[in-house]
Amino acid sequence: GAGVSQSPSNKVTEKGKDVELRCDPISGHTALYWYRQSLGQGLEFLIYFQGNSAPDKSGLPSDRFSAERTGGSVSTLTIQRTQQEDSAVYLCASDLWGAGGYTFGSGTRLTVV
Amino acid sequence: AQKVTQAQTEISVVEKEDVTLDCVYETRDTTYYLFWYKQPPSGELVFLIRRNSFDEQNEISGRYSWNFQKSTSSFNFTITASQVVDSAVYFCAVNYGGSQGNLIFGKGTKLSVKP
Repeated sequence: GAGVSQSPSNKVTEKGKDVELRCDPISGHTALYWYRQSLGQGLEFLIYFQGNSAPDKSGLPSDRFSAERTGGSVSTLTIQRTQQEDSAVYLCASDLWGAGGYTFGSGTRLTVV
Repeated sequence: AQKVTQAQTEISVVEKEDVTLDCVYETRDTTYYLFWYKQPPSGELVFLIRRNSFDEQNEISGRYSWNFQKSTSSFNFTITASQVVDSAVYFCAVNYGGSQGNLIFGKGTKLSVKP
C-alpha cells in the first residue's frame, strides 16, 4: 500500500485479556519496527524485523509481549494478559533498508480497563 | 548508553518568528545517526531528516535547517518564519547500538505557533 496501515485504530480491552495488533508495512520494505508511545515513557522501541533475520526483541518489556512477521510482510504484535500499564499508542513503522528514516503508521490506541 | 535530551518541553511563538528546537544526545558509538521527526495533532509521526555522524555540514530544506555540532553533541533544528501548520511535537532521536534503524527518542518538544 501507499503507507503503513495499522488496525484496529482503537482498542479497549479488559485487564487480563489478550490483544492482537496488526501492521501492514509499505510494500517492499524489508525492515519493520514496533514502538509504543505513552505519556510517561515517551516513544519506546519494542521490536525490529529485518528481512529473514532473527528479530531484535530487546525492547519488549516483558514475556507477555510477542510479535511475528509472516512472509516478510504483515506483522502482529500480541500482548497477553493485558495490564493497565500496557495502555499506550502502539506504532508500527517500516523502512526499505533499516536505515531509520522510516514511515510510521497512525498507530493503535490501546486502552486497558 | 544512548540518550537524547530535549530540554524544551513546550515552546510558543507567534507566526513568522524563527524558533530553534534543541537536542543534545549521548552515545558511545563512533558512528551513529541522528534524526528529527514531527508529530502533528493528527498523530502520525513524520520523518524530517537523518544525519550521519561523519557529516557535520549544516542542512537547509526550505524553512527548516539543522545545525549538527559534534563537539557539543547537539543537533538543533531551526524553523524560519514559523507558520501555524508547524504546530506539532518534534522528536529528536539517535540510533541504538549497532543497529542503524532502532532509535532512542527524546521526550519531544511541543511547538505552538499562534497566528
